[in-house]
Amino acid sequence: DTVLTQSPALAVSPGERVSISCRASEGVNSYMHWYQQKPGQQPKLLIYKASNLASGVPARFSGSGSGTDFTLTIDPVEADDTATYFCQQSWNDPYTFGAGTKLELK
Amino acid sequence: QVQLKESGPGLVQPSQTLSLTCTVSGFSLTSNSVHWVRQPPGKGLEWMGGIWGDGSTDYNSALKSRLSISRDTSKSQVFLKMNSLQTDDTAIYFCTRSGNYGSSPFAYWGQGTLVTVSS
Repeated sequence: DTVLTQSPALAVSPGERVSISCRASEGVNSYMHWYQQKPGQQPKLLIYKASNLASGVPARFSGSGSGTDFTLTIDPVEADDTATYFCQQSWNDPYTFGAGTKLELK
Repeated sequence: QVQLKESGPGLVQPSQTLSLTCTVSGFSLTSNSVHWVRQPPGKGLEWMGGIWGDGSTDYNSALKSRLSISRDTSKSQVFLKMNSLQTDDTAIYFCTRSGNYGSSPFAYWGQGTLVTVSS
């Protein structure tokens, strides 16, 4: 299976820029997607195919990368962005998710 | 608008079979795929499997021997059945809609239903 590695946690101040990384154990082309999950809620799609903003998602969110290395960037970070962020690949079978990066605000 | 809602028993005994239903609205099951994703409490997400617009299915190989996904298009429902449940199957089970091609993201999600495996 394709293993997706994310850093477990980050803490930033409102107004700053934050980058969340996701590294795949094998190539996934550009088929990496990013989700935001707040406690008690279902995941919400933010970015699809590495760099495409999902409908209704603020332009503060952006994505980049291809192959094995991907990044989700939030600039500027707002208080409401406190959540866990998951990457997910849909290139290799089975589809897999990263373990998530918990973003906390200082 | 697109909606998905999971339903089923909150408690299942070990070794028994889990049956869940995902009732959808706002889109056609013959033009989209629906997948099941689960999340143990406080942990990450696991793709279990899905059913495509043409009715074909794909399963995570880790669960394939225990899992079955089917649908009733007339009722706009997708079903999950998984047998031989154990305590580590305790999780929130989500149904989610994707496109009708293999690389689509999971764009819409149900609220999830918590299933506890315990005697």
